Amino acid sequence: EDQVTQSPEALRLQEGESSSLNCSYTVSGLRGLFWYRQDPGKGPEFLFTLYSAGEEKEKERLKATLTKKESFLHITAPKPEDSATYLCAVHSNSGYALNFGKGTSLLVTP
Amino acid sequence: SAVISQKPSRDICQRGTSLTIQCQVDSQVTMMFWYRQQPGQSLTLIATANQGSEATYESGFVIDKFPISRPNLTFSTLTVSNMSPEDSSIYLCSVTGQGGKYEQYFGPGTRLTVT
Repeated sequence: EDQVTQSPEALRLQEGESSSLNCSYTVSGLRGLFWYRQDPGKGPEFLFTLYSAGEEKEKERLKATLTKKESFLHITAPKPEDSATYLCAVHSNSGYALNFGKGTSLLVTP
Repeated sequence: SAVISQKPSRDICQRGTSLTIQCQVDSQVTMMFWYRQQPGQSLTLIATANQGSEATYESGFVIDKFPISRPNLTFSTLTVSNMSPEDSSIYLCSVTGQGGKYEQYFGPGTRLTVT
């Protein structure tokens, strides 16, 4: 059975303090690993897809990386507007469902 | 990516009643998905809805409780039937990306509270 575990559950950073979020996964045949951002009261917003170990994607202050067992979302010099819950999900060979982790709630203070 | 809207955005319903949630996409899509996000939890897939065929339900979800319609390539509905407080959740629809990509794009969600 596919499993996705995100850590930490919550993270508080000061503006400009870089850090990383972790997503560990166990799947039977990875078709893709996805990162989403979810603001309170809104649906998840797609950020990145990673397909194979060693792949990296960047968008503004965010950089996602992938190994065979985990993915990291690196946040460089975060700003208060980066505060949100970041969700990791995997798509395996079994069906179309995305299997989501519980997310990391990020708070960036001025 | 597709633009997805949902109606209603939120509702408060009484135990034992039913609510139908609408999902509208601004482009034609083959597959649409319905997820549930319970308080403090992550997203769980309820069912996959293909136009012209019966919805496919995930383990733990049944058609009598969550009937789904998919009348065309831009629209779907999810009904939450005979509601109980345990059905209080955010319900989200999503669609896959273009060109055979596996990422999914989500609507804004419907926040349901059952009293």
